[in-house]
Amino acid sequence: DADVTQTPRNRITKTGKRIMLECSQTKGHDRMYWYRQDPGLGLRLIYYSFDVKDINKGEISDGYSVSRQAQAKFSLSLESAIPNQTALYFCATSDPIGGDEQFFGPGTRLTVL
Amino acid sequence: AQSVTQLDSHVSVSEGTPVLLRCNYSSSYSPSLFWYVQHPNKGLQLLLKYTSAATLVKGINGFEAEFKKSETSFHLTKPSAHMSDAAEYFCVVTLDYGQNFVFGPGTRLSVLP
Repeated sequence: DADVTQTPRNRITKTGKRIMLECSQTKGHDRMYWYRQDPGLGLRLIYYSFDVKDINKGEISDGYSVSRQAQAKFSLSLESAIPNQTALYFCATSDPIGGDEQFFGPGTRLTVL
Repeated sequence: AQSVTQLDSHVSVSEGTPVLLRCNYSSSYSPSLFWYVQHPNKGLQLLLKYTSAATLVKGINGFEAEFKKSETSFHLTKPSAHMSDAAEYFCVVTLDYGQNFVFGPGTRLSVLP
């Protein structure tokens, strides 16, 4: 079984709809991250969380919110989706004791029409 | 502020020939540096990492990278390309034990038969 899972894997929605992307991990890591990937831009950090009570904005947090429901679960919400949020979204975890390597989920491809 | 430049958006090599993917970084402090690979429709996988130990770092699948502080570079190399190496490669820099990961825009590697 995969250590970091994301649901859904693909989603098509309409402008203005609320969307939630979910991430679960079995690695026991405290740190979790949400990124979006756009062609030619690499991955950009949306939000990150270093434990259940710690949530921090990343480079491009506008239009997004997150919830850390438990150590293993970190959800990303688009309150009112817009077309330029069409992208590939990745969740990741890391353990600083393990040397900062990030472990990525398989990604969620989101299309906003 | 940290930044990462990947000098080539696309590199094409013939199978069996050497691979060189270039990465330069900007950082005020001693960084940790990573190379990740992303195969089509997959998540990101760590190739190798530099965390202030040996400057020549060996990774998986025959890849290695050399940290050169004077040149602020961390180029990725492989002596002989294989068809399975065709993928997108990302150079990543971080400080502060994973508080902020900065991704380069990526280099797409094509391997010709």
